[in-house]
Amino acid sequence: QVQLQESGPGLVKPSQTLSLTCTVSGDSISSNSYYWSWIRQPAGKGLEWIGHIYTRGSASYNPSLQSRVTVSVDTSKNQFYLDLTSVTAADTAMYYCASVPSAVAGKSDTFDIWGQGTMVTVSS
Amino acid sequence: DIQMTQSPSSVSVSVGDRVTITCRASQDVSSWLAWYQQKPGKAPTLLIYGASSLQSGVPSRFRGSGSGTDFTLTISSLQAEDLATYYCQQTNSLPLTFGGGTKVEI
Repeated sequence: QVQLQESGPGLVKPSQTLSLTCTVSGDSISSNSYYWSWIRQPAGKGLEWIGHIYTRGSASYNPSLQSRVTVSVDTSKNQFYLDLTSVTAADTAMYYCASVPSAVAGKSDTFDIWGQGTMVTVSS
Repeated sequence: DIQMTQSPSSVSVSVGDRVTITCRASQDVSSWLAWYQQKPGKAPTLLIYGASSLQSGVPSRFRGSGSGTDFTLTISSLQAEDLATYYCQQTNSLPLTFGGGTKVEI
C-alpha cells in the first residue's frame, strides 16, 4: 500500500520560494501504476489542484499557478517536490501530496491516496 | 476551466437519515466525476470515481450517480462517523477542479 508524507518549512516569508517534499513509500515512484500530484487547501476553504508530475518527468500545472510552480521528481530518493515562487499571504494553506492511479479504468486524474498534509504559512 | 457547484453548502441531519448532495458541472464531463470525504483535521479520502464506482473499502451506504453535468452523492443511512465535508471533483479535463464542499453535520 502506497503511503505519502509531506515535509518542508511551515513558515515562508513573502516573495520567497515555498519548497515541499513528498516521500513515497510502499511502491516505486517510477512505477507505471501512478503519477503524483500536489493539492492545497486554505484554512476553512476548498481544494485547489496545483499540478501533476508523470513518471517520465513531464508535468501539468494549474494555469492559475503555472507561472510560479514547478513539480519535479527524484526517482533515486523516491520523492517528488513542489516549488512555488514569489509567495504571498494568499499561498498560506495546507499542502497535500497525492497519488493518481494511471492504469485503472475510470480513475484517471482522481486522487486515491493522500499524505496527511503540511501547513505552510506565508508571513514576515 | 470547468466550474463545479455543490449544493447545499451545509446540511444538518440525524443518524439514520438519507442524505443527498448534488454537484453540477459548468459543462459536460460525461462520467468523469469523483467524490471525496474530508473529516475534520484530516486529508480527503476518495469515495467514488467514474461518477458511480465505489472505491475499495468504502461502505455500500455511499452511492454516486449522474452523468453529463448533474451528479448526486447519496448516503442511504447516515452514521455518526459520516460527519465530514464532501467534495466533488471533475476529472474530465485539466485543470482539475473541485466543488466548494458540503458540510454534513449531525
